Amino acid sequence: DAGITQSPRHKVTETGTPVTLRCHQTENHRYMYWYRQDPGHGLRLIHYSYGVKDTDKGEVSDGYSVSRSKTEDFLLTLESATSSQTSVYFCAIRPGLAGDNEQFFGPGTRLTVL
Amino acid sequence: AQKVTQAQTEISVVEKEDVTLDCVYETRDTTYYLFWYKQPPSGELVFLIRRNSFDEQNEISGRYSWNFQKSTSSFNFTITASQVVDSAVYFCALTRAGAAGNKLTFGGGTRVLVKP
Repeated sequence: DAGITQSPRHKVTETGTPVTLRCHQTENHRYMYWYRQDPGHGLRLIHYSYGVKDTDKGEVSDGYSVSRSKTEDFLLTLESATSSQTSVYFCAIRPGLAGDNEQFFGPGTRLTVL
Repeated sequence: AQKVTQAQTEISVVEKEDVTLDCVYETRDTTYYLFWYKQPPSGELVFLIRRNSFDEQNEISGRYSWNFQKSTSSFNFTITASQVVDSAVYFCALTRAGAAGNKLTFGGGTRVLVKP
């Protein structure tokens, strides 16, 4: 158990509303990631963080922002949700500093934008 | 740019049959890491294995085995004597070694259905 929780686990919202997803970890890992999972695409990286207030974009970052004010929390915000952002969102952590460490994933958040 | 291709979108087998999942990758890096993850029907992602690019030794773990061939840029996964509990979506992934952020590039996944 990598000690990762995500909230909420399920959310239905309407187009144009803001949405924030939370990822919480209990083991003070430096690296945290947000991915989205869509059929046929596997998982694609949205944003990642390499420390408090240090974040960078992934391959599908448009329409998303992130914040990390504490080591344990990594927030993903959809400023104005669109139907194309309907997806399953996974948070991940990477233990250690070496580049060869595998990532461990949270349980996921299923988001539906109507 | 990195790319991972899992050409098989779905494989259906009968219990006790062997099943091999193909993974082909593209990268310009000389040092990199490959991974396999399992996603059962419950939805969580479970790490199975990591392999670095300078170690081409095949690995076996119980009924699971992995065949890494750098010459063909492939990292295939075989489940021997499949069981119903092996039914899941399996993802192959790639990352650059030593890269800041260690971002994973995933294939599209292969759904394995094991029928009793």
